[in-house]
Order: sequence, then structure tokens, then C-alpha cells
Amino acid sequence: AQKITQTQPGMFVQEKEAVTLDCTYDTSDQSYGLFWYKQPSSGEMIFLIYQGSYDEQNATEGRYSLNFQKARKSANLVISASQLGDSAMYFCAMREDDTGGFKTIFGAGTRLFVKA
Amino acid sequence: ETGVTQTPRHLVMGMTNKKSLKCEQHLGHNAMYWYKQSAKKPLELMFVYNFKEQTENNSVPSRFSPECPNSSHLFLHLHTLQPEDSALYLCASSQNTEAFFGQGTRLTVV
Repeated sequence: AQKITQTQPGMFVQEKEAVTLDCTYDTSDQSYGLFWYKQPSSGEMIFLIYQGSYDEQNATEGRYSLNFQKARKSANLVISASQLGDSAMYFCAMREDDTGGFKTIFGAGTRLFVKA
Repeated sequence: ETGVTQTPRHLVMGMTNKKSLKCEQHLGHNAMYWYKQSAKKPLELMFVYNFKEQTENNSVPSRFSPECPNSSHLFLHLHTLQPEDSALYLCASSQNTEAFFGQGTRLTVV
């Protein structure tokens, strides 16, 4: 069963505008972590932001914020004031604290295109 | 530079060849991972090592053989691969929070 769902294969946004990338997840764990990563065309995976399942406040990191709605099991990424350099693939991921170690699983990704 | 180094960055191999991918981290992390990223599928978790012990094998074919000699090094041994195994192979490590990724090995099987 798919545990991380990103329903937007591609998104377009005008430079300087805000954009929301959707992510829903499925877990029966009480303790888990949610992450967003950026992958530019060069291929490296860049960590952006983290939200713990027990964190009551939405995480923020500069222009990135995570809209965490636990009851709806959603963890959308909001990028404010988009820049051309934000064009990349964005992956939502979840870490379940199972006894086998911290296994992180990823969604299919959303490709973001920022237009000048 | 994330602290996770993968070599080689690019690899072309024939279906009868044997090769190895190497991953190294000096971040003091306990867990290391191999992921496969291909054009047609989402990022797939292949193997997880926690304190050098393999804790996850996501139904990966035996032509992929991982090895973790110590907590800083992780290898992926490849033999008799198929063209559909061509992909970006990413290594990652983590402690308690986010995973740190290497830059990946772009593998082409011919």
C-alpha cells in the first residue's frame, strides 16, 4: 500500500508567488517524522524541512513552511516568494520509528516549474 | 556537500560484468540506506542497515548484494544486471532525524 501520496506530478508557479505542494501519508504509528526534500537536475537530494508527529507548531525554514494537519494526515509544503532556482523535483517523505531502524520512505515527487 | 560520498558518480556496465558501488559517511550516523531512483518509478528503498546489521530488504533481486563492513561504509555489489536496472542509485545515512544523501551513482546497464 502506498504510504506517501503526492498527487501533483507537475506544478507551475510565477516567480515571486507562493506555491503549495501536496502530500498525504498513511501510518498507524503514533511517532513518525515527515520531511520534504528538493532534487535539482543535478541529482542530489537536499533536505528542506522536518515535522515531527508530536510537534504542535507547523515547521518553518526560511521560505519553506510545512502545513501539518495530523487528523487529515497531510503535510503540504508551502514555498513563499518563489525563485527561479526553486525549479526542481520535490519529494515528501515519512520516517516510521519501527524497531528495525529509521526507515524513510518517499512519495513519487512533484516537479515544480517556476516561470519568470 | 552533505557528508555522504558515493563513488563512482557514473557507471556503465555490461550484463555479464561485476561491479560495486561505494558509499561513505563520516557523520557518525547509525543507519545507512540504498535507494533506487528510475524514471518510471518513485524513489524505492532497497536496503537498510542499522548499526551494521541489515534490517530491511525490500524484495530486491539477488543480483544486488549489499555489504556494510562498518557503520561508515556501505557497498552495493552488482552482478548479471539487466537493462531495466539502469537508474540513479542513492545512498543515505541518518541518525534520528533527516536522511543525508550522497550525490548518487548513475548506472547504465548495456
